[in-house]
Order: sequence, then structure tokens, then C-alpha cells
Amino acid sequence: RKEVEQDPGPFNVPEGATVAFNCTYSNSASQSFFWYRQDCRKEPKLLMSVYSSGNEDGRFTAQLNRASQYISLLIRDSKLSDSATYLCVVTRTDNFNKFYFGSGTKLNVKP
Amino acid sequence: EPEVTQTPSHQVTQMGQEVILRCVPISNHLYFYWYRQILGQKVEFLVSFYNNEISEKSEIFDDQFSVERPDGSNFTLKIRSTKLEDSAMYFCASNPPPPGSGTDTQYFGPGTRLTVL
Repeated sequence: RKEVEQDPGPFNVPEGATVAFNCTYSNSASQSFFWYRQDCRKEPKLLMSVYSSGNEDGRFTAQLNRASQYISLLIRDSKLSDSATYLCVVTRTDNFNKFYFGSGTKLNVKP
Repeated sequence: EPEVTQTPSHQVTQMGQEVILRCVPISNHLYFYWYRQILGQKVEFLVSFYNNEISEKSEIFDDQFSVERPDGSNFTLKIRSTKLEDSAMYFCASNPPPPGSGTDTQYFGPGTRLTVL
């Protein structure tokens, strides 16, 4: 089983829509969780860390469900500029320095 | 805002040649990493480096690969004898030091696209 799994998409949504992505992780010893954003042929850029209590940053909300071993990302009021691939990233308690990446979920926001 | 830099942005080489990819991590960061991403695939961990030594490496990081921090600012990845399957985007990353929140957040450089012919 893969360490981190994501629906590859693509998710095609109109501007202004709300869209949600899920990500599941297989190792219960997972410690830290992140959403990164990656534009085509560019580096991953941190979108937000995911905290146990859930957290929000503007139009973006991240949730963590440790019991079910999944994290989610909700984007409200989608903008054209949100079009990108969203990467779920997990670290483990035995090695917080090693990032395990999901394959990413592609989002296309259309006018 | 400080950022990780990498050179070159694109490297083309012949199979069997040696390449060195260069990175300058953010200046006060202590942990350094190399990742690679084959076109259309996920980002994969290669190696982490702390206190002038490798702290962990993946199964991809075989004897053909080595890393070095030759001075106080550069962090390099060397591939001794490149293979076709080494063609990928190589990202360098670094962590801010503890204590404090976000110390496990990694900041990525823009990558070096390696093409092996």
C-alpha cells in the first residue's frame, strides 16, 4: 500500500466554486501533514500545514482525521490562479525530516 | 524573503557522464535534502543531510549518488555515471532550525531539470 494516496483528478471546476480534495496515509505513526502546491514544472510550494484541530488560511481550510488517517483541503471561491497540482505530504514520528509525497491532485479552474 | 537557489536550471548530459547539481539552501537552515521528480510522477525523497553527514537515504540513492557540503553555503548532488533513467527534475530543500513551530516545514528550490541522452 502506498504511503500517501491522492485522487489524481483532474478536478475541473468553474471560478467561484468550492472544491475539496482528500488524501489518505497508511502509516499511523505519521506525525506532520502539509499541503503543497505545484505549478507545472515548478517546485512544490508550501500552501499550509495541517493541524489536529483543523486550520484555515483565507479561502483554504485543512482538516486532519487521525482515526481514519486522512487529511483534506477545501478551497472556497476558486480563482483561476488556483489551477495547479495539490500535493499531500506526510512525515513520520521516526523521521520527521523525510517527506512522503502523494502523487498530487490536479485542479483546473475555468472561467 | 530568503529562498533556496539551484544551478543550473537545466543540464543536458550524455549517458555515463558525471553531473554535479548545485544548491544554496537558506542561510540559517540546518537540514538539507534532495528529491527528484520524474516527469509525470510524484516527488521522491533521495537523501537528507545534517551536521555534515547523510542522515537518511532512499533506495534510489545508490553508490552512483553522493552529496557534499563543500563550504558554508553550497550543497551538491553528484551523479557519477548518469543513466537514461536519471532524467528528472531534482529539487533541493531545507528546513529552518528548531525551536519553534514549522521547523519540519521544508522549502524547495526551483529545481534542476536533468536530461540524460
